[in-house]
Amino acid sequence: SQTIHQWPATLVQPVGSPLSLECTVEGTSNPNLYWYRQAAGRGLQLLFYSIGIDQISSEVPQNLSASRPQDRQFILSSKKLLLSDSGFYLCAWSGWTTEKLFFGSGTQLSVL
Amino acid sequence: QQPVQSPQAVILREGEDAVINCSSSKALYSVHWYRQKHGEAPVFLMILLKGGEQKGHEKISASFNEKKQQSSLYLTASQLSYSGTYFCGTGADSSYKLIFGSGTRLLVRP
Repeated sequence: SQTIHQWPATLVQPVGSPLSLECTVEGTSNPNLYWYRQAAGRGLQLLFYSIGIDQISSEVPQNLSASRPQDRQFILSSKKLLLSDSGFYLCAWSGWTTEKLFFGSGTQLSVL
Repeated sequence: QQPVQSPQAVILREGEDAVINCSSSKALYSVHWYRQKHGEAPVFLMILLKGGEQKGHEKISASFNEKKQQSSLYLTASQLSYSGTYFCGTGADSSYKLIFGSGTRLLVRP
């Protein structure tokens, strides 16, 4: 069966520090991969999505970037965090035969 | 482009019914519904595709009016476990890119 792993679960970082969040999917090949962000009490904002290695679309201009070094690995990065980057970050995947999104357990990021 | 959900919040007594609406200003290919418990990841409820179908999942069902670019989620005989925030996600094409609404917070009380 397919599983999605996301880490770390919580992260507290100072303003201006770098960021790296990792997400991996097991049990499927060539998944569509997504990064969403959720501000406290708010909806889900699509940040990046990828339909394959080296095929990443950015939905919101900001100081975040995403990379997909392997088929089932998706990384969210920043060189310098801002206070506004705080939030709950969710990785998700979907397959080619279904549009259903499977979410990871999320990373609660606090930038202080 | 973000779909609009209404109401923003609703409080129910156990056993009561509720309807959550989702409307878009763009033509839709699909509508997804997810439920999120506090501090957890959203969990898939159902997908409705272009064609105006209605789907059901236990006592939770949904409709999709393609012409009106709207979807509604129906919760009947609500249970305590239904509490959470419900999100609709809309897709404009088959690219699997979803844009989510801001959510509807549902609280079911005994």
